[in-house]
Amino acid sequence: AQKITQTQPGMFVQEKEAVTLDCTYDTSDQSYGLFWYKQPSSGEMIFLIYQGSYDEQNATEGRYSLNFQKARKSANLVISASQLGDSAMYFCAMREYETSGSRLTFGEGTQLTVNP
Amino acid sequence: EAQVTQNPRYLITVTGKKLTVTCSQNMNHEYMSWYRQDPGLGLRQIYYSMNVEVTDKGDVPEGYKVSRKEKRNFPLILESPSPNQTSLYFCASSFRPAQRSDTQYFGPGTRLTVL
Repeated sequence: AQKITQTQPGMFVQEKEAVTLDCTYDTSDQSYGLFWYKQPSSGEMIFLIYQGSYDEQNATEGRYSLNFQKARKSANLVISASQLGDSAMYFCAMREYETSGSRLTFGEGTQLTVNP
Repeated sequence: EAQVTQNPRYLITVTGKKLTVTCSQNMNHEYMSWYRQDPGLGLRQIYYSMNVEVTDKGDVPEGYKVSRKEKRNFPLILESPSPNQTSLYFCASSFRPAQRSDTQYFGPGTRLTVL
């Protein structure tokens, strides 16, 4: 079974609007972490935001927030006030601290296009 | 500047010709890892290292070797490359993997084509 599922291969959003990128995960660990990375067309991987399974509040970093719904095993990334520079591939990833320790497992990614 | 560097950034080679992709970090990170990225598959871990002289297999280690003789360097070796190893390769490092929020920082990537 896929451990990280990103069901949206491509998403489009108008500049200045908010967009939600979906991520669902599968783990039997009680202790795990969820990460989002951005990959612009230049290819580098840029860390955006982290959510721990025991964190009581949803993580936020500037325009990025993570909508963490533990019971539904979802960790959706919300980008507010989209900018043209947000056009990129976005990856959701998970660390399972009990079973896999340091390993990061990635989803297939979502290509976001911000239209002017 | 704190960074992870990889060389070369682009490489075209032929089947069977041994090659090495270097990875170096200047952040005194304990943990280093190699990933490959293929369309529709995301990133998959090849090998990782928790510290000097400690390496272990990831999800797709076949056809690759690594070594960690110094803390800052973690080269990826393809002894006999094959076309199915054509991919985008990333090196990553992190400070302290035992810490839950420990974040991996990625190098710029190496695009490898094996003919």
